[in-house]
Amino acid sequence: QVQLQESGPGLVKPSETLSLTCSVSGGYISTYYWGWIRQPAGKGLQWFGRIYASGSTNYNPSLKSRVTMSVDTSKNQVSLTLNSVTAADTAVYYCARFSRDYYFTMDVWGQGTTVTVSS
Amino acid sequence: QSALTQPPSASGSPGQSVTISCTGSSADVGGYDYVSWYQQHPGKAPKLIISEVNKRPSGVPHRFSGSKSGNTASLTVSGLQAEDEADYYCTSYAGSNNLVFGGGTKLTVL
Repeated sequence: QVQLQESGPGLVKPSETLSLTCSVSGGYISTYYWGWIRQPAGKGLQWFGRIYASGSTNYNPSLKSRVTMSVDTSKNQVSLTLNSVTAADTAVYYCARFSRDYYFTMDVWGQGTTVTVSS
Repeated sequence: QSALTQPPSASGSPGQSVTISCTGSSADVGGYDYVSWYQQHPGKAPKLIISEVNKRPSGVPHRFSGSKSGNTASLTVSGLQAEDEADYYCTSYAGSNNLVFGGGTKLTVL
């Protein structure tokens, strides 16, 4: 059974770049899309975008200018980079697998990693 | 502000049925049969419960069902149980490889 584990710095200073990694175990990242979603404390979910194993990406238009996703098939990992962070980027960040059975549906989620933006 | 509108809260007694709405536009909910619903318990990751409007993934109880009419999708939870108390989020494909979320609904089992 595939499992996802997000990892990252925990604390990032304003204006700096946030980098997160999602490690996939129990399965291969090939032939799937992998997405990133965040959730500020007490608030709703926001979709960043998704990346295919080949490196093809689809980004949320509202975040596209600050977001980069990448994939490392040799390590079975996908990554998220968010630049010029502010306090508004403080949130729990999730990675998720997009289903091959249901269109634009996330069927496996990581447990999430908390990121705080503060000086 | 979320692209899809959900009521902030909903409630029902054990055994009752509750329906949560998710309203969008012809550019998302109304334009595609690609609405999903996710359940999120406090401190946990979201869990897929309904996909493509009304398809229930393996392992999801039959008391969860989905439907759509025009620009509004709905999630119905029948035979409410205490463990159904959670936040529920809808998503919809919005064209051009874009996905939009609803603001979420907190379901309380009285």
